[in-house]
Amino acid sequence: ELKVEQNPLFLSMQEGKNYTIYCNYSTTSDRLYWYRQDPGKSLESLFVLLSNGAVKQEGRLMASLDTKARLSTLHITAAVHDLSATYFCAVEGDNTNAGKSTFGDGTTLTVKP
Amino acid sequence: EAQVTQNPRYLITVTGKKLTVTCSQNMNHEYMSWYRQDPGLGLRQIYYSMNVEVTDKGDVPEGYKVSRKEKRNFPLILESPSPNQTSLYFCASSFGRGNTEAFFGQGTRLTVV
Repeated sequence: ELKVEQNPLFLSMQEGKNYTIYCNYSTTSDRLYWYRQDPGKSLESLFVLLSNGAVKQEGRLMASLDTKARLSTLHITAAVHDLSATYFCAVEGDNTNAGKSTFGDGTTLTVKP
Repeated sequence: EAQVTQNPRYLITVTGKKLTVTCSQNMNHEYMSWYRQDPGLGLRQIYYSMNVEVTDKGDVPEGYKVSRKEKRNFPLILESPSPNQTSLYFCASSFGRGNTEAFFGQGTRLTVV
């Protein structure tokens, strides 16, 4: 059974600071996704990471994937208030479990002035 | 506009009364999936479909049915809803495995009394 663990679950940051959210998963996979959810809203896709060493960046967010360590990170650079949201990682199974997705519990980020 | 449309957005129903939540996408996506989101339990996959006439169970399929008779639609059927199916439901679609992002519907908040 694929398990996905995110930490921290809650993160309060000052504007302008950097921080990293971690996503560990328990079995082999080569597909990892990051999503953002604002309160009361649906999910928005941020990044799709498909191979070991993959790195993607969009604005102040950068995601990376290490399939050997079964670890993905979402790094926040110089946080701003608009980044306040809940961030989820999700891992897709491979082989017979292709298409089956397991989500982490989410990291609720609050950026304070 | 590319979108995933769920209906209804809100529904209050009684135990045992069959209901269907519709999901339709206009992007010719092959992959579609249903999730439920519950406080403290996060997002869990109910069913997914890799293509027309191909559906598979996610992590919490009990009490639900799906069908994929055409590419654009993926309805979620609750034959005999129970209060433990009270939840926020999301439908999602993507082109499938590969470097593709997922698009989520706006969500359906279901209350079973």
